[in-house]
Amino acid sequence: GAGVSQSPSNKVTEKGKDVELRCDPISGHTALYWYRQSLGQGLEFLIYFQGNSAPDKSGLPSDRFSAERTGGSVSTLTIQRTQQEDSAVYLCASSSRRLTVTDTQYFGPGTRLTVL
Amino acid sequence: DQQVKQNSPSLSVQEGRISILNCDYTNSMFDYFLWYKKYPAEGPTFLISISSIKDKNEDGRFTVFLNKSAKHLSLHIVPSQPGDSAVYFCAASGLYGGTSYGKLTFGQGTILTVHP
Repeated sequence: GAGVSQSPSNKVTEKGKDVELRCDPISGHTALYWYRQSLGQGLEFLIYFQGNSAPDKSGLPSDRFSAERTGGSVSTLTIQRTQQEDSAVYLCASSSRRLTVTDTQYFGPGTRLTVL
Repeated sequence: DQQVKQNSPSLSVQEGRISILNCDYTNSMFDYFLWYKKYPAEGPTFLISISSIKDKNEDGRFTVFLNKSAKHLSLHIVPSQPGDSAVYFCAASGLYGGTSYGKLTFGQGTILTVHP
């Protein structure tokens, strides 16, 4: 079946502009995660959604970052007033989380964001 | 505060030999550990995992060892193949609650190159 998809694959924007990044998880997966990878760094957790529960936003670096998940499926990560330090690859992952938190997270290919 | 560390940015081995990738962690609440593999322009893919009740888990050519007292884990690949050349990330999570529950904390990654 189809894996996790993300769009756009690349985004170049000017400092101060808002951007929206989209994630389509694997159908039926109840958990959805956003991570980012800055240059030379590991993946950094941003936010996760599990079913209808309130999202865990503990990894969001500032209030310029927000995310929503509509209808328990597609998710959008929004970065307002982008800064150059926001430049990174933003990765989305989903998992079934039916039974246990050890259910494998499947990652999308990522969106490479460049803020000029 | 880097809670998961991969101190070797790169590793080069000859085809057929053993590759050993290392990872250290500081958070004693972590009790589930994973290795992911990442090719350029793709998202990370799950490779192998281990929970803290075990000290070894094997899957084909891949074995993960966990030393809880040293807060250290390693991934052994035997024999190494050129197709194993990729970035390897170690990750950790909490199974039983706490702030790490369900979220993955990643190391910075190690670039493995297997020469024919």
